[in-house]
Amino acid sequence: DTEVTQTPKHLVMGMTNKKSLKCEQHMGHRAMYWYKQKAKKPPELMFVYSYEKLSINESVPSRFSPECPNSSLLNLHLHALQPEDSALYLCASSPLGGQGKLFFGSGTQLSVL
Amino acid sequence: AQTVTQSQPEMSVQEAETVTLSCTYDTSENNYYLFWYKQPPSRQMILVIRQEAYKQQNATENRFSVNFQKAAKSFSLKISDSQLGDTAMYFCAFMKHEISNSGGSNYKLTFGKGTLLTVNP
Repeated sequence: DTEVTQTPKHLVMGMTNKKSLKCEQHMGHRAMYWYKQKAKKPPELMFVYSYEKLSINESVPSRFSPECPNSSLLNLHLHALQPEDSALYLCASSPLGGQGKLFFGSGTQLSVL
Repeated sequence: AQTVTQSQPEMSVQEAETVTLSCTYDTSENNYYLFWYKQPPSRQMILVIRQEAYKQQNATENRFSVNFQKAAKSFSLKISDSQLGDTAMYFCAFMKHEISNSGGSNYKLTFGKGTLLTVNP
């Protein structure tokens, strides 16, 4: 299995809702990432987990809360989002050992109304 | 901090022809990786090719090859025999290897702004 699977593919939520994005990989990768991508822009790094511990937080607002419950699963919990948070959220994973290759999921397209 | 510059916002090429996408970067690091990622309309980021900075030999993957000029900090992508399926946004990316507090490896990608390539029939 060489895929990173993200669910849901599309999500519409109101500003008072609580929702979660899910990312799963079974490639044995021990680093996992959340990126945010606005239309016609490059992806921007949000969080990095290494060995299930948060190792990088790129000053992301607290309304985004990541969680890595095990080595295969990465969640992004969303609460009280703003319309400007509407974007494509990409998950990625990478093997350790100096390869430097990231494997991306197909993303969750989020719309905040 | 690293920066990656792609000076061509859009390019087009005829099917079966060759096209070169430009990328320059700025870093004080000596060991790093460079990548070209492709993002088709499906929006999934797909790795096209990877270059390790310590290797002088240019990377090649089938129809895709790079011209890596370390001293000039240039990393261009050549696509030969262009196909309609090559139509996509192409991002050049820089990565340096960092060791996290937990002892694992973090790979932090810095992307350029992208070049939208259209292959015309």
